[in-house]
Amino acid sequence: DAGVIQSPRHEVTEMGQEVTLRCKPISGHNSLFWYRQTMMRGLELLIYFNNNVPIDDSGMPEDRFSAKMPNASFSTLKIQPSEPRDSAVYFCASSFVQGAGDTQYFGPGTRLTVL
Amino acid sequence: QKEVEQNSGPLSVPEGAIASLNCTYSDRVSQSFFWYRQYSGKSPELIMSIYSNGDKEDGRFTAQLNKASQYVSLLIRDSQPSDSATYLCAVRSGSNYKLTFGKGTLLTVNP
Repeated sequence: DAGVIQSPRHEVTEMGQEVTLRCKPISGHNSLFWYRQTMMRGLELLIYFNNNVPIDDSGMPEDRFSAKMPNASFSTLKIQPSEPRDSAVYFCASSFVQGAGDTQYFGPGTRLTVL
Repeated sequence: QKEVEQNSGPLSVPEGAIASLNCTYSDRVSQSFFWYRQYSGKSPELIMSIYSNGDKEDGRFTAQLNKASQYVSLLIRDSQPSDSATYLCAVRSGSNYKLTFGKGTLLTVNP
């Protein structure tokens, strides 16, 4: 399997622009997670989906952030409008949730820089 | 608010030594515990999971869990320079599939 695929790997944009990050989970996995990692705050869960349904979006920082999972093989995280404080590495992870024993596999991440 | 605390380090050990990484958590109902390794500029990868009190060994790695003390640790025996990375402790509570991560401990193994 190719693992979790994320695109783009790097994104540089200007404040106020819309940013869309993309994720393809591992085939057969039923859960997908979006994380943000910064030096100050560490790795934070933004939102997670189970069977394409958003289960918990309490980590989404504000209304400028939105996430969708239209099918089992694709998810997007959108920031509109973007701000310099959104600069971070955004990771997508997927897992097959079954009881207590599941492993989250992380994608390579998207490094976002908002100027 | 559920918290996971780790010493940020850096923890520096000589090659061949035992590296000991520690983690405490605040939520008493936490049930699942994970150690992830993250190399600089890379994504986290799972190296150990533990669910019951006691020790769990996998090669050079041993995870230790003490739920009464709300403490989980990772021991790396015969440390190698390739073990130099940031180690993230993650905790999951109950049926909630969310993981709460610590900020990580930077480990440096000196040749």
